[in-house]
Amino acid sequence: QKEVEQDPGPLSVPEGAIVSLNCTYSNSAFQYFMWYRQYSRKGPELLMYTYSSGNKEDGRFTAQVDKSSKYISLFIRDSQPSDSATYLCAMTTGSGYSTLTFGKGTMLLVSP
Amino acid sequence: DAGVIQSPRHEVTEMGQEVTLRCKPISGHNSLFWYRQTMMRGLELLIYFNNNVPIDDSGMPEDRFSAKMPNASFSTLKIQPSEPRDSAVYFCASSHPQRGGWDTQYFGPGTRLTVL
Repeated sequence: QKEVEQDPGPLSVPEGAIVSLNCTYSNSAFQYFMWYRQYSRKGPELLMYTYSSGNKEDGRFTAQVDKSSKYISLFIRDSQPSDSATYLCAMTTGSGYSTLTFGKGTMLLVSP
Repeated sequence: DAGVIQSPRHEVTEMGQEVTLRCKPISGHNSLFWYRQTMMRGLELLIYFNNNVPIDDSGMPEDRFSAKMPNASFSTLKIQPSEPRDSAVYFCASSHPQRGGWDTQYFGPGTRLTVL
């Protein structure tokens, strides 16, 4: 079992739809959870991060973490064509020299 | 402020040749990461430097890969000899850990390597 599992997609939705992206993980020591967005032929960029369990909202984006289920989600409301990108979840224990473990990414296509 | 700079952006080489990828991290960042991204394996960490010292090189696939960070503003990833299975996009990222050992990683634009 991989440490972080993420459905590669592609996920195709019409403009204005609510999008749900998800990751599951196996390491219960993970404490910091991130979502990176990667446009085609670009490097990933941090979109949101959450510490431990709970929700965090930033504009049209909401990140949720359920540590009891080892499951994290990113919701995008009123999706726009400019949201078309690959979304990678990442997580870390945050201790010492810990590094990020990434999911493989989900490709999202939002059509006008 | 300039972001992470990588060169070259594209590299096409033949099997057996030496390849050197270069990275300039964001000024003031003391952590540097080299990643490799493929469709099959996703984004994999190859090596992590902190204050120019290699901390974790467990992701380096084999002895053909080596990385150096001679100073705070420059790092190289070398593949010698290169093989077709090394074809991938190689990213460099930097960060300045402040929050309990983790902080935002800023990625460069990547080097797309093709080994024929």
